[in-house]
Amino acid sequence: NAGVTQTPKFRVLKTGQSMTLLCAQDMNHEYMYWYRQDPGMGLRLIHYSVGEGTTAKGEVPDGYNVSRLKKQNFLLGLESAAPSQTSVYFCASTGGRGAIDNEQFFGPGTRLTVL
Amino acid sequence: AQSVTQLGSHVSVSEGALVLLRCNYSSSVPPYLFWYVQYPNQGLQLLLKYTSAATLVKGINGFEAEFKKSETSFHLTKPSAHMSDAAEYFCAVSAARTGGYQKVTFGTGTKLQVIP
Repeated sequence: NAGVTQTPKFRVLKTGQSMTLLCAQDMNHEYMYWYRQDPGMGLRLIHYSVGEGTTAKGEVPDGYNVSRLKKQNFLLGLESAAPSQTSVYFCASTGGRGAIDNEQFFGPGTRLTVL
Repeated sequence: AQSVTQLGSHVSVSEGALVLLRCNYSSSVPPYLFWYVQYPNQGLQLLLKYTSAATLVKGINGFEAEFKKSETSFHLTKPSAHMSDAAEYFCAVSAARTGGYQKVTFGTGTKLQVIP
């Protein structure tokens, strides 16, 4: 059981370049989330998905797009990277129909630097 | 609306000393509260959670937290710090299910340093 995995672990982009971050979970969870973590700001929700084929905006969605074509995968895309998107990105998932007392399971993170 | 405030972005303790990490919450409805730990270069993992069953919650690695409604607090404690406890700790509140998902608000984190 790998849990939640993220690809890649590290990436350096130039301003204007695009990339896709991949999140995969093997726990059959319905709910998946993308967060970004910045120093002194905790985790902020970018986008989330409540099931295969559905996505929705979180707190800070601008500059990002997502897709959930398969239940186990949640992709985060940056179409035109900006230095403000330099951050550590975490994917998380939760089961149990998204109940508010559920534990979220996190991936190891992707450290992205935009020059 | 929901929010959490973690007092102290950095806390240092000696090995064997008491660990106390502070968290205060704000919620318009009864909250569910969590403590997550993040070891260097890893994702967050759950330490413990409060779901109203008991005010004193025990978690992994000897940590516990007490829910105090009158003080709107959920401080994390451990009687004796170990070197392996050095990590960043996040308090989080979940008090709403908005748009069909679990809305979790994380605090800004407290980095715990353990001095040998």
